[in-house]
Amino acid sequence: GQQLNQSPQSMFIQEGEDVSMNCTSSSIFNTWLWYKQDPGEGPVLLIALYKAGELTSNGRLTAQFGITRKDSFLNISASIPSDVGIYFCAGQGPLSSRLTFGEGTQLTVNP
Amino acid sequence: EAQVTQNPRYLITVTGKKLTVTCSQNMNHEYMSWYRQDPGLGLRQIYYSMNVEVTDKGDVPEGYKVSRKEKRNFPLILESPSPNQTSLYFCASSLRLRDLRYEQYFGPGTRLTVT
Repeated sequence: GQQLNQSPQSMFIQEGEDVSMNCTSSSIFNTWLWYKQDPGEGPVLLIALYKAGELTSNGRLTAQFGITRKDSFLNISASIPSDVGIYFCAGQGPLSSRLTFGEGTQLTVNP
Repeated sequence: EAQVTQNPRYLITVTGKKLTVTCSQNMNHEYMSWYRQDPGLGLRQIYYSMNVEVTDKGDVPEGYKVSRKEKRNFPLILESPSPNQTSLYFCASSLRLRDLRYEQYFGPGTRLTVT
């Protein structure tokens, strides 16, 4: 099946710093989604990407769909304490309704 | 408010005692899905449903059943729960966008412990 590698597994940063995380796939995806999960809650959709090369922003968050269609990254600028949580990438392959999830990046922001 | 709801949110049960976790969405979404989340393994799909009366296995279907008799509901059934089914379970739903694209929205989760 499809494999998704998400890195880094965890990050510890100071408030105000920028953050970058990425996902790579062993096969082509035609949709990339980025989610955030707070403790005790379900993942919340942050950004959806549908075209290779697409760059999309949602406030301080920016995500890109890689040109090869096998990778995506998420940037968070000027981090704040409420950015703390687990960030997941998810990809959907061509002609498939199923999502494959990365293992998540645990983000800790120190005030 | 558009949402996916799950019940119960927490459940402790014993091996072999049948249980059902309900999932309901009010967004008229065709697609619904169940996932389990385990440390180090991420989110793994159990079953999914493309529409009413259409269900299919995900990556880890063993020990689970589902049904989709109505568009809004997608219950997860554990006929004979075992301790290895102790996990955090999420229901998700999605509108089918063009070109078979989906944006899945998740419920709040059900933490199940099987002793």
